[in-house]
Amino acid sequence: KNEVEQSPQNLTAQEGEFITINCSYSVGISALHWLQQHPGGGIVSLFMLSSGKKKHGRLIATINIQEKHSSLHITASHPRDSAVYICAVRLFNAGGTSYGKLTFGQGTILTVHP
Amino acid sequence: DTEVTQTPKHLVMGMTNKKSLKCEQHMGHRAMYWYKQKAKKPPELMFVYSYEKLSINESVPSRFSPECPNSSLLNLHLHALQPEDSALYLCASSQEGRGWRGQTEQYFGPGTRLTVT
Repeated sequence: KNEVEQSPQNLTAQEGEFITINCSYSVGISALHWLQQHPGGGIVSLFMLSSGKKKHGRLIATINIQEKHSSLHITASHPRDSAVYICAVRLFNAGGTSYGKLTFGQGTILTVHP
Repeated sequence: DTEVTQTPKHLVMGMTNKKSLKCEQHMGHRAMYWYKQKAKKPPELMFVYSYEKLSINESVPSRFSPECPNSSLLNLHLHALQPEDSALYLCASSQEGRGWRGQTEQYFGPGTRLTVT
């Protein structure tokens, strides 16, 4: 079992719909990242969370540390939101530090149709 | 300037060639990373540099040789690669370095798409 699980793996929506992508992890983390990657492109960091909720434009990210779960929401989705969304976590190592290493989920492929 | 740049964007090389990938950032970040990403897969960490010293090597074959000549530059030297090494190579940087107790974002470059023939 992967340490980071995302769902769904594929998501298709119509323009304007509200979208939710989920991420669950099984170990203690120091931070969780949501990343966006367009086809053939580099990666853009959307959010870094260690608690609570963050909002940027139409994007909202939440995290529940006790339940080891995070969600990424997109309001009023648009075709330009079509991309792969990746959840990544920073794990603690035995020394209590995390060395910046990210453990990635498998990604959610989002397609938004006009 | 919140940008990580990578050159070249695309690279085709034969199995006997020697080439280098370059990464540059001017955000004052002291941690820099190389990732390898195969199609439809998440990135895999290869190397981490902290304060220009190699901090993590994720058991990467010796045909990949990283170098951090200064705090802004990160190179990946390639020699005698195999076709299965064809992938998108991503560089990233973050503010943390020694201690690693901070929680800062990683900034990714656009990647170099490498094809080994």
